[in-house]
Amino acid sequence: EPEVTQTPSHQVTQMGQEVILRCVPISNHLYFYWYRQILGQKVEFLVSFYNNEISEKSEIFDDQFSVERPDGSNFTLKIRSTKLEDSAMYFCASSETGAGRYFGAGTRLSVL
Amino acid sequence: AQSVTQLDSHVSVSEGTPVLLRCNYSSSYSPSLFWYVQHPNKGLQLLLKYTSAATLVKGINGFEAEFKKSETSFHLTKPSAHMSDAAEYFCVVSDTARGFYNQGGKLIFGQGTELSVKP
Repeated sequence: EPEVTQTPSHQVTQMGQEVILRCVPISNHLYFYWYRQILGQKVEFLVSFYNNEISEKSEIFDDQFSVERPDGSNFTLKIRSTKLEDSAMYFCASSETGAGRYFGAGTRLSVL
Repeated sequence: AQSVTQLDSHVSVSEGTPVLLRCNYSSSYSPSLFWYVQHPNKGLQLLLKYTSAATLVKGINGFEAEFKKSETSFHLTKPSAHMSDAAEYFCVVSDTARGFYNQGGKLIFGQGTELSVKP
């Protein structure tokens, strides 16, 4: 069964550093998403991406965040200058038509 | 605004007994509702979805959920728990104010319910 792959599974970084979280969506999918879950809190929507542009973003997704689909297969989330409160599990998802989201296993980001 | 509330943060059952995970929703529109499951170190897997067709929805692994508009509920059930059902379960509503589920609207998650299954 096709799956969404996220790397790394765990990323540790120092506050103020830039991090890039990587995702390989399912190959024929057209819609891409990032969600995050801070420990003990709900899974929150960050951003959706379609046709090479952001289609929607939440208030969490400020200027420190950016997304990119650099090579037609990867979908990345960049945090320019990490803060302690960015520590969370980050989930990537993709879908073919906008329905039926397939999620990855997540990347746990720890900001020290 | 849409929201979901999962009424139990943790549910424990014995193997072979029924499972009930409770979810209430709030929506100004006719909602699209889902249950996702997350096993340790795995992604979020779609169990089932309700999108205004039949109110009793059957999903994978023997799970089903019933949409009750009068009670604003979408509880998840399974007649007989298996050890492999132990996981975190999320009730989710789509943001129909932004767009229909099929058009890529964002998903709004509940807090999650951890299901434990005792032998």
